Amino acid sequence: NAGVTQTPKFQVLKTGQSMTLQCAQDMNHEYMSWYRQDPGMGLRLIHYSVGAGITDQGEVPNGYNVSRSTTEDFPLRLLSAAPSQTSVYFCASSYRGAGDTQYFGPGTRLTVL
Amino acid sequence: EDQVTQSPEALRLQEGESSSLNCSYTVSGLRGLFWYRQDPGKGPEFLFTLYSAGEEKEKERLKATLTKKESFLHITAPKPEDSATYLCALLGSGNTGKLIFGQGTTLQVKP
Repeated sequence: NAGVTQTPKFQVLKTGQSMTLQCAQDMNHEYMSWYRQDPGMGLRLIHYSVGAGITDQGEVPNGYNVSRSTTEDFPLRLLSAAPSQTSVYFCASSYRGAGDTQYFGPGTRLTVL
Repeated sequence: EDQVTQSPEALRLQEGESSSLNCSYTVSGLRGLFWYRQDPGKGPEFLFTLYSAGEEKEKERLKATLTKKESFLHITAPKPEDSATYLCALLGSGNTGKLIFGQGTTLQVKP
């Protein structure tokens, strides 16, 4: 099993550009989530999904969109990038929910100029 | 409001010098407290889950304990390879699918 994969590993955007961060898992997990990690602020939940076709907002959802058309994939879309979205983004998955062991991807380091 | 606070922010130890990391929490009805380890440039990796006050879990040099207000991660005779950031997380109260993380404690163990 590849586990949780994320692409790209690094990305530089200009303010106003849009892009999609990819996340995929091959463990047949129902629950997937996106976090951002900033210095001194820990991991903050952006959006999560409890299954295909179902998504919900986390703590910091503004400026981000998600969809879950398959069990395996959970892409995160930045609609119009802002410097405040410079961060490291982690995708995670678990068997059923937030209370199960979370398996994290390797992260995407995003810089918005 | 559900909240998780970790202390200290950073901790430097000599190899073999035991210590503890603290995670204070507030939640309406604890449904799970989690410890993760994160190495630089990588995603967090699961260590322990605790569910009720008095519960303890151990793995090699690490032992996690839980009270009604705090969790401790005790590190006994640490080695340089224990250097990492340790994250505490709480399952949010109510019918939510949310995990709430603390800021983390960065541990450096010097040989």
